Amino acid sequence: SAVISQKPSRDICQRGTSLTIQCQVDSQVTMMFWYRQQPGQSLTLIATANQGSEATYESGFVIDKFPISRPNLTFSTLTVSNMSPEDSSIYLCSGAGGRNEQFFGPGTRLTVL
Amino acid sequence: GENVEQHPSTLSVQEGDSAVIKCTYSDSASNYFPWYKQELGKRPQLIIDIRSNVGEKKDQRIAVTLNKTAKHFSLHITETQPEDSAVYFCAATGDSGYALNFGKGTSLLVTP
Repeated sequence: SAVISQKPSRDICQRGTSLTIQCQVDSQVTMMFWYRQQPGQSLTLIATANQGSEATYESGFVIDKFPISRPNLTFSTLTVSNMSPEDSSIYLCSGAGGRNEQFFGPGTRLTVL
Repeated sequence: GENVEQHPSTLSVQEGDSAVIKCTYSDSASNYFPWYKQELGKRPQLIIDIRSNVGEKKDQRIAVTLNKTAKHFSLHITETQPEDSAVYFCAATGDSGYALNFGKGTSLLVTP
């Protein structure tokens, strides 16, 4: 299985500011994704990070709020922009290989005050 | 988009008993169905998966069954142990064929 790391592991931010989360995988994966998980809830897909092109966003998520980059096969960033307390959540990245098996990073716990 | 329903939301069993969690999906094009175990404060861990060309898959104490016609799949855990206590999520691939849509999760408690 792929080893996936994220940083920061947690952060406390002021409303109106932005936070960029980094995700690194240790092997070449076909796909990378970003999810959000509210405490005690399920995972909600934010977007598919596409290498060298714009991410594909799910309904309810927009590029201006959650800009995503994927400059190469093993690295991606998610920025949470102009944060509000409603953005407080755990943000998880994942990577999937050719057989669909998807592995998750440890998550970034974000608290917005 | 794909809709994945998961039941029950909570499940309590005695150690040694079996546990069954059921999920249904809406998109007939879905072809990959993984199950994840998430312990408190940890990342989701892939425990077993099944593809649409297979009806059943087993790995030691866990098994997954898939009924494509009825669009439902189930996780079976036999001889449960306290360390099986966690939240379990089912998922199914959506339109892209890779991105996953998750069920709401089942909180399993195995009591000694």
